[in-house]
Amino acid sequence: EAQVTQNPRYLITVTGKKLTVTCSQNMNHEYMSWYRQDPGLGLRQIYYSMNVEVTDKGDVPEGYKVSRKEKRNFPLILESPSPNQTSLYFCASSLLQGASAFFGQGTRLTVV
Amino acid sequence: KNEVEQSPQNLTAQEGEFITINCSYSVGISALHWLQQHPGGGIVSLFMLSSGKKKHGRLIATINIQEKHSSLHITASHPRDSAVYICAVSQGADGLTFGKGTHLIIQP
Repeated sequence: EAQVTQNPRYLITVTGKKLTVTCSQNMNHEYMSWYRQDPGLGLRQIYYSMNVEVTDKGDVPEGYKVSRKEKRNFPLILESPSPNQTSLYFCASSLLQGASAFFGQGTRLTVV
Repeated sequence: KNEVEQSPQNLTAQEGEFITINCSYSVGISALHWLQQHPGGGIVSLFMLSSGKKKHGRLIATINIQEKHSSLHITASHPRDSAVYICAVSQGADGLTFGKGTHLIIQP
């Protein structure tokens, strides 16, 4: 089954404690991206990757890092999380940029 | 950067009604996407279109490139259609730009 898998689904952490949210897709897609969704603001792009070892900033990259060492995986790293990064996060992949996207189930992150 | 506006923000209707959700954008695009987000939070891609009209079951999406406008229609609406519907556009090298979503509730 074609899917994008994010883990964990829910996470509560404390300010400053490094965390990683994993994202994996099984469709051999080239394009992967991370979004955050906040009430009243909608979905906003954090980072994206056009292919292995190619990553670029989206609209709200501050406080986040990503890596794309393999085609299937695109982890999101918060080196020093802060309360303003409390949000619902989505990973997505598509065959190419702008093509129909498959979304992960979301990760609800709370930073206290 | 493209501006994507959706209307209405909230819509409550009775089962069986014909539903229309609108999306407008400010500059030319390569494609427009309609997404559905269920109360559990997961997001599903419904349509991607760059011209004309697409239909899938009771859902119909149309786009007018000249007017920079798209509509999503739901015929014979059902309570299971209750969800947030999100319009997004893709444009050249930019990633997706999203509208804020339309929260639809279909009452039995």
